[in-house]
Amino acid sequence: DVKVTQSSRYLVKRTGEKVFLECVQDMDHENMFWYRQDPGLGLRLIYFSYDVKMKEKGDIPEGYSVSREKKERFSLILESASTNQTSMYLCASSSQTDTQYFGPGTRLTVL
Amino acid sequence: GESVGLHLPTLSVQEGDNSIINCAYSNSASDYFIWYKQESGKGPQFIIDIRSNMDKRQGQRVTVLLNKTVKHLSLQIAATQPGDSAVYFCAENKGDYKLSFGAGTTVTVRA
Repeated sequence: DVKVTQSSRYLVKRTGEKVFLECVQDMDHENMFWYRQDPGLGLRLIYFSYDVKMKEKGDIPEGYSVSREKKERFSLILESASTNQTSMYLCASSSQTDTQYFGPGTRLTVL
Repeated sequence: GESVGLHLPTLSVQEGDNSIINCAYSNSASDYFIWYKQESGKGPQFIIDIRSNMDKRQGQRVTVLLNKTVKHLSLQIAATQPGDSAVYFCAENKGDYKLSFGAGTTVTVRA
């Protein structure tokens, strides 16, 4: 089975803090994705990566950056957290197909 | 812009009845569609997919129907069970392994 894990299920941070969200997949997938999920808005793509050290902006990249130093790990970074970044963050991975497999999510609250 | 949407945000179903969840899409060039199930506190879970060269695909208790003429996708769940209570998302491929998601339909199963 595909397994995608995320470093934290719940996280509480203060405005202005630097926040790291980690995602690891164990299926040797080339593609990895970060989404945020908000009520009524569905899943919105923040960033994605096709390969190590490769990254592409998604639909809402502002306020975020990413890092992919190893194939199995994709990190989402909030350089200076703001209250409007309070959300559920979901990581996904896929091979050279369109089917994405998701992690359990990190619910981030920024105070 | 082009997007994927679901007809109804909520659906209440009697246990044992069949459920039908609908989704309309606007990108006639999309050739791949996925249904995901998201239980409370968990990440989306792949249910079933369908390519545009098919009209129907069946899985275990689930059937996906694709009507390309009216750009409509539906998920049918047979003999709905309490464990089927969740949020259901349709998604379509956007190219380059990216997906576009609808806002989701919350299915509640009544005992």
